[in-house]
Amino acid sequence: EDKVVQSPLSLVVHEGDTVTLNCSYEVTNFRSLLWYKQEKKAPTFLFMLTSSGIEKKSGRLSSILDKKELFSILNITATQTGDSAVYLCAVDLTGNQFYFGTGTSLTVIP
Amino acid sequence: NAGVTQTPKFQVLKTGQSMTLQCAQDMNHEYMSWYRQDPGMGLRLIHYSVGAGITDQGEVPNGYNVSRSTTEDFPLRLLSAAPSQTSVYFCASADRGWGYGYTFGSGTRLTVV
Repeated sequence: EDKVVQSPLSLVVHEGDTVTLNCSYEVTNFRSLLWYKQEKKAPTFLFMLTSSGIEKKSGRLSSILDKKELFSILNITATQTGDSAVYLCAVDLTGNQFYFGTGTSLTVIP
Repeated sequence: NAGVTQTPKFQVLKTGQSMTLQCAQDMNHEYMSWYRQDPGMGLRLIHYSVGAGITDQGEVPNGYNVSRSTTEDFPLRLLSAAPSQTSVYFCASADRGWGYGYTFGSGTRLTVV
């Protein structure tokens, strides 16, 4: 059975802290891994990762994939209250089907 | 550019009623899909489509029907609503190029009583 596991389930940090969110997967097919940020409504796309060891970066957020060990991490440096959200990891199985983890809820305290 | 538009935003149904959740995108995306999101369960794929006239089942298709007669529209039909279908439903679309993942609609919160 395909499985995507995110950890921790929730996290509370202070502004300025650095956080690392984890996503591990066991799937029958793998095309890519995606990270999304979900605030009150729809998830918004952050990164797509297809190759091991190549870091994707956007401002204070960065992510990397390890296809040998079957995991990805999402780093957020110098956290701000606007980073408070649920972060979702999804594995693209066939190009049409995404298998999502349950998410990590991040709360950043001023 | 509206992106992905879902209607309605909220809906309450009685058990056994049927309804259609509407989804439209104006980005000429080929791929569209429907997800449901339940507490502690993450997003689960209901049905998806790779182009007009082509649909397929996802992880949790039972109790739902879809059709894709145009590139823009991908409605989700609940045939006979059950309390287990109480959830938040998201429609999403993506370009064939894939580089930017899915764009999600703002969601429909459905309650079946």
